[in-house]
Amino acid sequence: KAGVTQTPRYLIKTRGQQVTLSCSPISGHRSVSWYQQTPGQGLQFLFEYFSETQRNKGNFPGRFSGRQFSNSRSEMNVSTLELGDSALYLCASSLAAQGSIEAFFGQGTRLTVV
Amino acid sequence: GDSVTQMEGPVTLSEEAFLTINCTYTATGYPSLFWYVQYPGEGLQLLLKATKADDKGSNKGFEATYRKETTSFHLEKGSVQVSDSAVYFCALMGTALIFGKGTTLSVSS
Repeated sequence: KAGVTQTPRYLIKTRGQQVTLSCSPISGHRSVSWYQQTPGQGLQFLFEYFSETQRNKGNFPGRFSGRQFSNSRSEMNVSTLELGDSALYLCASSLAAQGSIEAFFGQGTRLTVV
Repeated sequence: GDSVTQMEGPVTLSEEAFLTINCTYTATGYPSLFWYVQYPGEGLQLLLKATKADDKGSNKGFEATYRKETTSFHLEKGSVQVSDSAVYFCALMGTALIFGKGTTLSVSS
């Protein structure tokens, strides 16, 4: 079956702009989580959605937001982009809410803010 | 709070050498533990997992045993290949996945 699909794969934005990233989970998976990966901070949890509801949130400013649709697809939005937002953004899907089931990751969206 | 500490890299080995990447964790209770691998330009792939103490996860010749006494989950492989060159992440499942900083493995022929 198809894996986790993230679009676009690469993105270049200007400081101050906003960006929307998309994630389509594995068919049947209802939980989608987002992570930011940077060389300095490593992998950090952004938020998790389960059945269209945000279930958990990491320690990121309000400029980072997300949502999940009825078909479990999720979008992540970052407003007023800063240079430090340049990172690989990874989406992970799992069958149930996190805590017991392994997560399957997409290939990520590489965001560069200039 | 929960945390994962793994050995600093890079780790450089010759083909067929023995690999150990150390991982220790701090957590409330006994969380599920994972090793993920990331190849250049790719996302994370689940390598193996263990859900309770003394469980041994294994996949593609890699093994790791959940040791609650030492709060460790060290990754081992008896004979590495060039194709094993990647970044390896140890992680625990709390309310979200908590990752170590990653260990870069480079295997030369």
